[in-house]
Amino acid sequence: QSVLTQPPSVSAAPGQRVTISCSGSSSNIGNNYVSWYQQLPGTAPKLLIYENDKRPSGIPDRFSGSKSDTSATLAITGLQTGDEADYYCGTWDISLSAGRVFGTGTKVSVL
Amino acid sequence: QLLLQESGPRLVKPSETLSLTCTVSGGSISSSRYYWAWIRQPPGKGLEWIGSIYYSGSTSYNPSLESRVTISVDTSKNQFSLKLTSVTAADTAVYHCARFGRGRWSFDYWGQGTLVTVSS
Repeated sequence: QSVLTQPPSVSAAPGQRVTISCSGSSSNIGNNYVSWYQQLPGTAPKLLIYENDKRPSGIPDRFSGSKSDTSATLAITGLQTGDEADYYCGTWDISLSAGRVFGTGTKVSVL
Repeated sequence: QLLLQESGPRLVKPSETLSLTCTVSGGSISSSRYYWAWIRQPPGKGLEWIGSIYYSGSTSYNPSLESRVTISVDTSKNQFSLKLTSVTAADTAVYHCARFGRGRWSFDYWGQGTLVTVSS
């Protein structure tokens, strides 16, 4: 059971905007950077956002991240069918010997 | 382009030891800028960090698995390995190796993963 909570699923029509929340505590999100990963069906996770709000090269600016207190949010604008995937937040937790932790995961569906 | 490739037995019997190796190509495992990690994903479930290793051999493990896990590194072969003892069906999962960047504080490269099934 993860210490980071995400909604199981979100959905929207093509072109719309979705947001995915990641809720934690002061021992993880509250004091550490958050990253976000996209996992397309049958593939390995891919880094989308690092250090709360930075995008690696090649990641479109339709994807954005933010953090406030003990929660983080991933936003996807201009939703495309190719965005259908599972999304995970990640950070580390000082109460778990600084172990890395992931969120419960959110399935994004494009209606 | 950095590539990580997992290898090892796909079927392990209950109570035995699961052993996997990750071969890194296109970059050096001995860089001081990175940690190297194992992450697993049971079928239909989420991601679970197993543990990480630095090129010097320093390790950190998930407390829930620590009593059964050993991660080691072989810099001469550009590889790192996972051993998980006393496996049960609950250890059936896709096992990924990944790189964790000390600058980006995130897992920036992942192996494709290998499904390991625990069954008699």
